[in-house]
Amino acid sequence: EIVLTQSPGTLSLSPGERATLSCRASQSVSSSYLAWYQQKPGQAPRLLIYGASSRATGIPDRFSGSGSGTDFTLTISRLEPEDFAVYYCQQYGSSPLLTFGGGTKVEIK
Amino acid sequence: QVQLQESGPGLVKPSETLSLTCAVSGYSISSGYYWGWIRQPPGKGLEWIGSIYHSGSTYYNPSLKSRVTISVDTSKNQFSLKLSSVTAADTAVYYCARVFIGSGSLDYWGQGTLVTVSS
Repeated sequence: EIVLTQSPGTLSLSPGERATLSCRASQSVSSSYLAWYQQKPGQAPRLLIYGASSRATGIPDRFSGSGSGTDFTLTISRLEPEDFAVYYCQQYGSSPLLTFGGGTKVEIK
Repeated sequence: QVQLQESGPGLVKPSETLSLTCAVSGYSISSGYYWGWIRQPPGKGLEWIGSIYHSGSTYYNPSLKSRVTISVDTSKNQFSLKLSSVTAADTAVYYCARVFIGSGSLDYWGQGTLVTVSS
């Protein structure tokens, strides 16, 4: 069973700063099948990145994804006030067919 | 614009069966894509429950497989979830979503519905 471990659990930053979020898989994940989501309180998750590095429709270019194999990264180049939220990575293809990481909370410092 | 809307009872008694439906608008389920259910216990992370193709092919999370049934009704453009023998641990916000096959990502989500398991 594949496990996705996100770190850190909480990231305390100020608006304008750069955020770097990590997602590590217990076994290799195809880059084609690694996605990132943003979730704000009381809302459904929103797809940010798919295929490890492709931005979903309407996602600002301050969000970028990278990585391969077992190590993936979501970077927010300059945090805007609306970016403070919880972020999840997700893989598709290994058993279980679809798995989420535990999440990273980006909070205002 | 693709829209998904969950519906069903917000309160289910322990040992009973949880039943939810996801109505899809703006896209015909028969045209393709997988459609899935995901849940999130209060204050916790996301858990994939299972997915279904318009043909009826299903994939379930092994941890829930013995209790889950997902079905599709293309005539109503909706799909459904049944989770049997529920306990308090099944209390969660339940989301339905569309699975983009090319990447396995979930590109459209419903707003979610809270289901509480309690007597």
